[in-house]
Amino acid sequence: QVHLVQSGAEVKKPGASVKVSCRASGYSFITYAMHWVRQAPGQGLEWMGWINAGNGNTKYSQKFQGRVTITRDTSATTAYMELSSLRSEDTAVYYCAKLHYDSSGYYMSLDHWGQGTLVTVSS
Amino acid sequence: DIQLTQSPSFLSASVGDRVTITCRASQGIGSHLAWYHQKPGKAPNLLIYAASTLQSGVPSRFSGSGSGTEFTLTISSLQPEDFATYYCQQLDNYPHTFGGGTKVDIK
Repeated sequence: QVHLVQSGAEVKKPGASVKVSCRASGYSFITYAMHWVRQAPGQGLEWMGWINAGNGNTKYSQKFQGRVTITRDTSATTAYMELSSLRSEDTAVYYCAKLHYDSSGYYMSLDHWGQGTLVTVSS
Repeated sequence: DIQLTQSPSFLSASVGDRVTITCRASQGIGSHLAWYHQKPGKAPNLLIYAASTLQSGVPSRFSGSGSGTEFTLTISSLQPEDFATYYCQQLDNYPHTFGGGTKVDIK
């Protein structure tokens, strides 16, 4: 079965960077895109971006453009999300989520999620 | 960006109740809408995709409908395990925005 296992919690100072990993198993890693979503404490879900695990193409939310970099290592079946110039508002749980296509290949959704990684930004 | 507005933000219901949550998009998104629920401290879980298709393994008491700008998620008979926060997400345009969430609590 599909498993997405994320790296552990991080505490960072303002201005620093953080890199969260998401190791995938149980499916063909290069066939499906990996998305990243975050959730600030007590708040809703916020989409950050995604990577085509096959060719490495990425798409980011404009909100994070210039600060976020999503990469992948196909040999390790692992995706990474790096966020730079951290500020207190970036304190959140960060999730990776596997893209799912319906049988027509037209409709998408996020069908498997990692357990989440808490990133705390504090001086 | 496409805005998704969920209503209500909070609802209190009893086991066995029929519950309906609405998600309105700021512009037409066809049927490119998914629904998730999330329990405290857990990752979201996919319920419905393509606006009305039940994800494998999800109980049939969940159903989705709508297209364009207005969508609904219905739980036909609320069960104890359904008390959670529900989110819609559009996957038509970037960024793939989420609604603000609907918390379903025990009356």
